[in-house]
Amino acid sequence: EPEVTQTPSHQVTQMGQEVILRCVPISNHLYFYWYRQILGQKVEFLVSFYNNEISEKSEIFDDQFSVERPDGSNFTLKIRSTKLEDSAMYFCASSEDRGNSPLHFGNGTRLTVT
Amino acid sequence: DAKTTQPNSMESNEEEPVHLPCNHSTISGTDYIHWYRQLPSQGPEYVIHGLTSNVNNRMASLAIAEDRKSSTLILHRATLRDAAVYYCILRGHNTDKLIFGTGTRLQVFP
Repeated sequence: EPEVTQTPSHQVTQMGQEVILRCVPISNHLYFYWYRQILGQKVEFLVSFYNNEISEKSEIFDDQFSVERPDGSNFTLKIRSTKLEDSAMYFCASSEDRGNSPLHFGNGTRLTVT
Repeated sequence: DAKTTQPNSMESNEEEPVHLPCNHSTISGTDYIHWYRQLPSQGPEYVIHGLTSNVNNRMASLAIAEDRKSSTLILHRATLRDAAVYYCILRGHNTDKLIFGTGTRLQVFP
């Protein structure tokens, strides 16, 4: 069964550094998402992306965050200047359509900011 | 965003059926009821969704109350691999996002 893959599985970075998290969504999917989960807390929506633009974003997704689909297969989340509180699991997801298409999640990248 | 209420935790023995309840008394007419689960150290996984009628798939069944103010996810025969946090989520037709609550942590005992 096709799956969403995320790299790296664990990223350690120093505060203030830029970090790029990478995802390869399922190939025929059109909608892409980033979620995050701080240790011990809920899974939180960050952003959705369709047709090369952001379709919806949360309050968490401020100017420090950006997303890009640089080619036909990758979907990236960039954090420009990481803070300690950015430490979390970051999950990428994709779906065939919006509305009620199921989301398929990757297994996440654990970001540790020191 | 319409809210859901689930028990914090439930327990089951292996090979027994499990009924996971969810209350969503403020559901609107266009909200679908989605269930996802999260196994330890993994991303959320889609389980099932429905609008009004009961739904079955290879993973589970979803029973939706006639007034749609509650639903029940049914695992027909729990296995150890079903131990996870189960999330009941209402998803509007005009939004992309899923709002995750704290879910129900299901423990399955051999």
